[in-house]
Amino acid sequence: EAGVTQFPSHSVIEKGQTVTLRCDPISGHDNLYWYRRVMGKEIKFLLHFVKESKQDESGMPNNRFLAERTGGTYSTLKVQPAELEDSGVYFCASSQRTSTDTQYFGPGTRLTVL
Amino acid sequence: AQKVTQAQTEISVVEKEDVTLDCVYETRDTTYYLFWYKQPPSGELVFLIRRNSFDEQNEISGRYSWNFQKSTSSFNFTITASQVVDSAVYFCALSEVQRSARQLTFGSGTQLTVLP
Repeated sequence: EAGVTQFPSHSVIEKGQTVTLRCDPISGHDNLYWYRRVMGKEIKFLLHFVKESKQDESGMPNNRFLAERTGGTYSTLKVQPAELEDSGVYFCASSQRTSTDTQYFGPGTRLTVL
Repeated sequence: AQKVTQAQTEISVVEKEDVTLDCVYETRDTTYYLFWYKQPPSGELVFLIRRNSFDEQNEISGRYSWNFQKSTSSFNFTITASQVVDSAVYFCALSEVQRSARQLTFGSGTQLTVLP
């Protein structure tokens, strides 16, 4: 069974540009999470989808970040316009129907904003 | 508010030594889950273990063992006879059942280096 996949693995963009990150969860996992780790800090929760619905987006830093999960399958996280402080590693995780299940993580996308 | 503290930022040991990674947590919930994840140099977060707050039995899996003590709010991780392949960043995390999103709260991680 394929694990959580993320694309791209690395992205380098200039301040003010737009970047879209993609996450494909494990097949059959209704719960999808986004987290990020900014340099030297903890991994922080961004938001949680149950199927195509946003369950909790309390961790989203500001309105420059937009997450979608059309059809309840893969998810995208768009940053527009990107700022220097957005640099970090963005992780996606998924879990099965009951949201107390273990979250399985993808390899992350390393975003560098210059 | 929930919080996870991993006071050891970096640990370096020589192969075959035992090493314990500390994790202390704070929560007001009576029902919660604790996790350990491993992040090898390749970058992905690999799930190691999940414990719920009602199960204080220690667990052993091969060279790995976990000591959960509610009295001290700790969930420590011990690697016995460490190997070079154990070198990674290890994260402890907490999930509170009452939080609808079941989001994980992570510690800052412990970088373990096992020298040959």
